[in-house]
Amino acid sequence: DAGVTQSPTHLIKTRGQQVTLRCSPKSGHDTVSWYQQALGQGPQFIFQYYEEEERQRGNFPDRFSGHQFPNYSSELNVNALLLGDSALYLCASSSDREGQPQHFGDGTRLSIL
Amino acid sequence: GESVGLHLPTLSVQEGDNSIINCAYSNSASDYFIWYKQESGKGPQFIIDIRSNMDKRQGQRVTVLLNKTVKHLSLQIAATQPGDSAVYFCAEISMDSSYKLIFGSGTRLLVRP
Repeated sequence: DAGVTQSPTHLIKTRGQQVTLRCSPKSGHDTVSWYQQALGQGPQFIFQYYEEEERQRGNFPDRFSGHQFPNYSSELNVNALLLGDSALYLCASSSDREGQPQHFGDGTRLSIL
Repeated sequence: GESVGLHLPTLSVQEGDNSIINCAYSNSASDYFIWYKQESGKGPQFIIDIRSNMDKRQGQRVTVLLNKTVKHLSLQIAATQPGDSAVYFCAEISMDSSYKLIFGSGTRLLVRP
């Protein structure tokens, strides 16, 4: 049973570029959340997708957008990249049933030059 | 706050001893709590969870204790092994009003052989 998978594992971009990160949830999960983790810090919530809609958003600018597909997989898009966007981007999936934990992938390490 | 600072507190224990990792959570309305283990280069791994209607829950070699009065959570690891070395995060969520996990301050656990 595959867990949460993310691609790519590493990515290098330059300021001003755009990036798309991808996530496949764990089998049986229908909800996908995205987090940003800066070095030495805990993950920060970006947004969550359920039924192909963004249903909650954290304190991130509109440059961060996402999408969920009918098969529950998801993409995170970041436009106009800044140096400060360098971080580990984590995808977490869960079942929408109450009390079900979020399970994380190993993330995409994004470096902005 | 919602994220850990750059300098993670570190707990160093002898292999075979018991470890206790503590966490103060921020929101009195939070009713679901999760402990995650994060190894270098990987995403957070689910360890154990607890609902607010419980004060103790046991898993394999791990026990979580919840004290709602002082908003405190602890993770006890029995017979600590070298493979337990990692950063540990507690996370909280308010099931009625939020879908986002709020991560507490991480603790680095070092197991001495």
